[in-house]
Amino acid sequence: QVQLVESGGGVVQPGRSLRLSCTPSGFTFSDFGMHWVRQAPGKGLEWVATISYAGNDKYYTDSVKGRFTISRDNSKNMLYLQMNSLRADDTAEYFCAKQVCAGYSGCDKLPHFDSWGQGTVVAVSA
Amino acid sequence: EIAMTQSPGTLSVSPGERATLSCRASQTIGSNLAWYQQKPGQAPSLLIYAASSRATGVPARFSGSGSGTEFTLTISSLQSEDFAVYYCQQYINWPPLTFGGGTKVEIK
Repeated sequence: QVQLVESGGGVVQPGRSLRLSCTPSGFTFSDFGMHWVRQAPGKGLEWVATISYAGNDKYYTDSVKGRFTISRDNSKNMLYLQMNSLRADDTAEYFCAKQVCAGYSGCDKLPHFDSWGQGTVVAVSA
Repeated sequence: EIAMTQSPGTLSVSPGERATLSCRASQTIGSNLAWYQQKPGQAPSLLIYAASSRATGVPARFSGSGSGTEFTLTISSLQSEDFAVYYCQQYINWPPLTFGGGTKVEIK
């Protein structure tokens, strides 16, 4: 079955960097666009970033543009989120998510998520 | 950016009763809407996509309806395991992908 496992979270000072990883299994990783979604403590879900199945297209929410970079290594079956210049309002649980439709299908531009990781917590604090 | 608004914020329901959750989009999104369930301490899970299609393994007591800007998630007879927070998400006009603020379904 599909499994996504995030890692790399922790406590970090404002202005510092952190790299999150997501290890997928149970599906052909290179066929699917992937996403990061975060949830601040006690708050709702916020989409952070998307990468297409081949890694050519990347999209970000405005608040992280220029600071975060989503990437993937299809040869290693890994998804990443490099987070630089971290701020207190980046504090959240970060989930990686697999989109429903494969990249070569007609609905891959309609991303909704059928599998989520268990999350990794990032706390930005002095 | 399309804003998604969910109501009510909290819904108190007795087991066995029906629950009706609403989601409104600030612009028309056709049927490009998903619903997720999130239980405490867990990741969200997909319930409904394309506004009314149940995801694999989702019980028939969950149903979605609506199109355009108004959507509804109905749980026909609440079971104990259904008490959770529910989020809607639009996926036609992005970036950004946007979620509603959530509706918490609690035991009355």
